[in-house]
Amino acid sequence: GQQVQQSPASLVLQEGENAELQCNFSTSLNSMQWFYQRPGGSLVSLFYNPSGTKHSGRLTSTTVIKERRSSLHISSSQTTDSGTYLCALETGANTGKLTFGHGTILRVHP
Amino acid sequence: DMKVTQMPRYLIKRMGENVLLECGQDMSHETMYWYRQDPGLGLQLIYISYDVDSNSEGDIPKGYRVSRKKREHFSLILDSAKTNQTSVYFCASSPYEQYFGPGTRLTVL
Repeated sequence: GQQVQQSPASLVLQEGENAELQCNFSTSLNSMQWFYQRPGGSLVSLFYNPSGTKHSGRLTSTTVIKERRSSLHISSSQTTDSGTYLCALETGANTGKLTFGHGTILRVHP
Repeated sequence: DMKVTQMPRYLIKRMGENVLLECGQDMSHETMYWYRQDPGLGLQLIYISYDVDSNSEGDIPKGYRVSRKKREHFSLILDSAKTNQTSVYFCASSPYEQYFGPGTRLTVL
């Protein structure tokens, strides 16, 4: 089965609402990274978060290793937050190989 | 400012032609990667390079080869391109966190 599962697959919000994106993995992890991708664009790293909680502006990432999950919280969403959010984990020790989830497509309406 | 560059950004080739995709980084990262992204399949790792002339197959290496003669440059080569290699190709580099280039959209007719 798929090692990395993201939910929901898609999400529609009104501007100002909060969002909680989930990433669950079926194997132990070495590192976890969250990316943002605009349609037709490249991947922008949001967080490198192997464990614990990290903050960046309106974004918060929390990884709980023993529960094999990571979440991305977006507060006070804006239309410019629309796009695809991808989580990826490195499972092999120091291989650098990331396994990606299929992403959550977020649309924020004004 | 950390930067990964890719050339060309768009490329159209005919089946059977050779393709060269170039990637550069100015951060002296040892590790570099080539991925392809396809609808429904997500991002898949083609090759990983741990340093000059130290390359390793990823999950889908068939039909591709790579070259890394300088730490800052990593090339992806398609010998005799096939139509199913039409995709968006991303290069990345990392010390630990991965930084991605803007991508190359390749169409093989």
